[in-house]
Amino acid sequence: EDKVVQSPLSLVVHEGDTVTLNCSYEVTNFRSLLWYKQEKKAPTFLFMLTSSGIEKKSGRLSSILDKKELFSILNITATQTGDSAIYLCAVLIQGAQKLVFGQGTRLTINP
Amino acid sequence: NAGVTQTPKFQVLKTGQSMTLQCAQDMNHEYMSWYRQDPGMGLRLIHYSVGAGITDQGEVPNGYNVSRSTTEDFPLRLLSAAPSQTSVYFCASSLRSGSGNTIYFGEGSWLTVV
Repeated sequence: EDKVVQSPLSLVVHEGDTVTLNCSYEVTNFRSLLWYKQEKKAPTFLFMLTSSGIEKKSGRLSSILDKKELFSILNITATQTGDSAIYLCAVLIQGAQKLVFGQGTRLTINP
Repeated sequence: NAGVTQTPKFQVLKTGQSMTLQCAQDMNHEYMSWYRQDPGMGLRLIHYSVGAGITDQGEVPNGYNVSRSTTEDFPLRLLSAAPSQTSVYFCASSLRSGSGNTIYFGEGSWLTVV
């Protein structure tokens, strides 16, 4: 069974801290790994990672994939209250036409 | 260009009632799917379609039906609602299956079954 596991499930930090969110996976036929940010409504796309070791960066957010150890991390530096959200990791399965999501990490940034 | 439109946004149903969640996209996307999101469980795939006339089951299809008579529309039917179907439902579409970074989600439909 395809499985994606995120940790921690919940994280509370102070504004300005740096956080690392983890995503590990066990799937039959990996194509790519995606990170989404979900505030009150629909998930919004952050990154898609297909190759190992290549960091994707967008402002204070960055992510990297390790296909040997089957995990990815999402880093957020100099956190702001607007970063408070649920962060979802999902794996796109080759051939099976589907995304398998992790449980999500609820990140709360306190001022 | 409206993107992915879901209706209704909120619905309360009694156990045993049936209803249809509507999903429409105006981007000529081939691939459409329905997910449900429950607390602490991320999104789980219910049904998906790779084109008009073609549908298939996802992880949690029981209690739901879908059809894809046109490219634009992908309705999700609850045949006999149960409290376990209380959830937030998201419709998603993409130009092709496998184009992970261009999956568009609807705004969600909050369903409560009492």
